[in-house]
Amino acid sequence: QSVLTQPPSVSAAPGQKVTISCSGSSSNIGSNLVSWYQQLPGTAPKLLIYGNNKRPSGIPDRFSGSKSGTSATLGITGLQTGDEADYYCGTWDNSLSAGVFGGGTKLTVL
Amino acid sequence: EVQLVESGGGLVQPGGSLRLSCAASGFTFSTYWMSWVRQPPGKGLQWVASIDEAGSKEYYVDSVKGRFTISRDNAKNSLYLQMDSLRADDTAVYYCAVRSGSSWYHWGQGTLVTVSS
Repeated sequence: QSVLTQPPSVSAAPGQKVTISCSGSSSNIGSNLVSWYQQLPGTAPKLLIYGNNKRPSGIPDRFSGSKSGTSATLGITGLQTGDEADYYCGTWDNSLSAGVFGGGTKLTVL
Repeated sequence: EVQLVESGGGLVQPGGSLRLSCAASGFTFSTYWMSWVRQPPGKGLQWVASIDEAGSKEYYVDSVKGRFTISRDNAKNSLYLQMDSLRADDTAVYYCAVRSGSSWYHWGQGTLVTVSS
């Protein structure tokens, strides 16, 4: 059982837009910045979004992040087959004094 | 270019010990928090432990407290995870990662730890 809650899977057609939600509490998302990670099959996770809505160098602007209260959302526009991956949200939890991740969402581009 | 290279994984019997290492390069290692994050086969990411820049503050997930110890050697640009009293549910790919605030910016390729008799 993950501290942060994500939908297990989402799907959309190429070129379309998809959003992935991440729900937490006041001790984690409500108090700290949220980051998002992309894990392509057989590879290590890669930072997609940090500081709720900032993209590291090299990440296309098709990827966006937002946060409201105790929830965060990852948005991906112009879907490509190469976007098929597992996506994770993460942050720090002040009550647990621990890092926390969502359970992951598998994106399928139909 | 930031590089993180983990080593030390392998097959170990329940109750055994293993020491993971992570060699860092391409950034000023001594100025960043570092973390270990693991991923059991077919499952999601689980944060394991973090250590501050000087090695004076350590944090652990409850399930490894008292069994795992995170440490670092800034002179060698290296991060370590000493794992004792290993259990089957510790089986996972272990990643080292550079932590900044509540984000993990760079990740290694991971090393597989299998706990089985």
